[in-house]
Amino acid sequence: SQKIEQNSEALNIQEGKTATLTCNYTNYSPAYLQWYRQDPGRGPVFLLLIRENEKEKRKERLKVTFDTTLKQSLFHITASQPADSATYLCALVHTGTASKLTFGTGTRLQVTL
Amino acid sequence: DTAVSQTPKYLVTQMGNDKSIKCEQNLGHDTMYWYKQDSKKFLKIMFSYNNKELIINETVPNRFSPKSPDKAHLNLHINSLELGDSAVYFCASRGLAGTEGELFFGEGSRLTVL
Repeated sequence: SQKIEQNSEALNIQEGKTATLTCNYTNYSPAYLQWYRQDPGRGPVFLLLIRENEKEKRKERLKVTFDTTLKQSLFHITASQPADSATYLCALVHTGTASKLTFGTGTRLQVTL
Repeated sequence: DTAVSQTPKYLVTQMGNDKSIKCEQNLGHDTMYWYKQDSKKFLKIMFSYNNKELIINETVPNRFSPKSPDKAHLNLHINSLELGDSAVYFCASRGLAGTEGELFFGEGSRLTVL
């Protein structure tokens, strides 16, 4: 069956450290993958997109990698701040289903002082 | 000016009732979606419309009926509400079907069925 799995346990890190979140998928052939941030009581907000033929994308303190051999994307936040605390969701579009964005289970990140 | 707006934000109702949630986007997008987020925060796609045409219809009970009167609006009507329908329902829009564009989400409508 198809799955998109993220760490179900919350990730707790100290301010200033790098947070690394994992997104693993099974039985998908993603055309691209997106990462979103969701704050409590709010809708998800888009952060970054990475295509199947790209290894890495960066935006300010954010970096995403995509390894189609490992079937995994990693999302990094460098120099973490308490304001980065939120749930982070990965989402992918399976090749041939262009409009259907399927989300992972999400990982809650808590950055402490 | 809110890009994707949903009403109502909160909805508390009894089992067996019928309720509707409305969604409007002012981004000029062609594609709109309904997602359901359960208590474990899993966001599951339900429906998608492109320019008023239904293009995605996941395995959703017939009690759920989406309607898109025009490309800026997508409403969700739920008949005979059940306890398991309690969730947060998110509306989202996207520029063009088949593109890589991001989804723009509304703030969600929290439905509680008693």
